[in-house]
Amino acid sequence: DGGITQSPKYLFRKEGQNVTLSCEQNLNHDAMYWYRQDPGQGLRLIYYSQIVNDFQKGDIAEGYSVSREKKESFPLTVTSAQKNPTAFYLCASSVARGGSPLHFGNGTRLTVT
Amino acid sequence: GENVEQHPSTLSVQEGDSAVIKCTYSDSASNYFPWYKQELGKGPQLIIDIRSNVGEKKDQRIAVTLNKTAKHFSLHITETQPEDSAVYFCAASKTQAGTALIFGKGTTLSVSS
Repeated sequence: DGGITQSPKYLFRKEGQNVTLSCEQNLNHDAMYWYRQDPGQGLRLIYYSQIVNDFQKGDIAEGYSVSREKKESFPLTVTSAQKNPTAFYLCASSVARGGSPLHFGNGTRLTVT
Repeated sequence: GENVEQHPSTLSVQEGDSAVIKCTYSDSASNYFPWYKQELGKGPQLIIDIRSNVGEKKDQRIAVTLNKTAKHFSLHITETQPEDSAVYFCAASKTQAGTALIFGKGTTLSVSS
């Protein structure tokens, strides 16, 4: 079955530690995205990538970093500079042309204490 | 950049009633408007989308209308069922390559039997 896999489903970290969230897709999509979801805030765009080795900042990129070394993979690192890292993180992919539906993974809930 | 406003934030209806969720967008260049349904603990799933060359689109009990002049689009669910209970998100984007979807803050729909 084609789809997007985010792992792990739940992640716990101590404050001050960097943590990397995994996102893998086998849909052969060129574009991949990271969104953050907080209660009552909707989905806010962190970073997106239209092609391997290229990515753009979204609305809330501060404190996050990404890489896109392979078409299938788009890991997100939450750094210690992110002031409020506890959230539900969603990865998505689409064909590269604009106006295309996003296919989402089932998310990773990150808790930082 | 694009800004999407969504109302209401919560909506409670009786089984069999209709539900309407409304969104407005700010960027007149946006021309792709999808709607997503998110169940608890899962990623959002596309339920219907509309492009700016169409004023209305229907898929069984779900319909979306678009008023480009007013920069307004709506989701209509008829004959609601308990399994329609979920969080619904609207979104908007341009169709040119390199653009990402911007989401509203979501509507929690509760359908009671």
